[in-house]
Amino acid sequence: DSGVTQTPKHLITATGQRVTLRCSPRSGDLSVYWYQQSLDQGLQFLIQYYNGEERAKGNILERFSAQQFPDLHSELNLSSLELGDSALYFCASKRGGGQGYTEAFFGQGTRLTVV
Amino acid sequence: ILNVEQSPQSLHVQEGDSTNFTCSFPSSNFYALHWYRWETAKSPEALFVMTLNGDEKKKGRISATLNTKEGYSYLYIKGSQPEDSATYLCAHSMDSSYKLIFGSGTRLLVRP
Repeated sequence: DSGVTQTPKHLITATGQRVTLRCSPRSGDLSVYWYQQSLDQGLQFLIQYYNGEERAKGNILERFSAQQFPDLHSELNLSSLELGDSALYFCASKRGGGQGYTEAFFGQGTRLTVV
Repeated sequence: ILNVEQSPQSLHVQEGDSTNFTCSFPSSNFYALHWYRWETAKSPEALFVMTLNGDEKKKGRISATLNTKEGYSYLYIKGSQPEDSATYLCAHSMDSSYKLIFGSGTRLLVRP
């Protein structure tokens, strides 16, 4: 158990809908990272939050947004969903905001299926 | 190389065999190389983080080496066991953030 909790584990929704994925980081971790894994692709970095503020942005679509709350949990909002958004969405957390040489801890992911 | 590439894509070995996989990454703007082990329905778990050319890290029967000048890392598993069956991911970062660029992974299946 990594200590990072993601909910829900599975989500099935229709095209055009909006969903919210939730991530609770490990106790004491200030950074939350979101990654997307589509079929046959590696994990793609979406966005990082550190202590409530956006720190780095990757290949995140404009239809997607995220935030980190004062209690440090984070939510990834996906709107106007398309079939191609079906993927496994991972959240990872770290103590600090940088130090790319230290490990992060991943949650088990949310599998989103858009039908 | 612009992306992180891993080979082979999948590998089936017999219990007791030793095996190794390759991760290739851009050698310019290198900051760190990460290896993760990912079992189905579980969280990816960090194995190693390496930053220096020539780094070698070991954890039990698993070890890794790093060549930043030529842009590759090897992961070795000695005496594979069925519980080693997993996808092994490598990821490269170009700066101190954790904006990792992942490869597609090598799926290892160890047959008893």
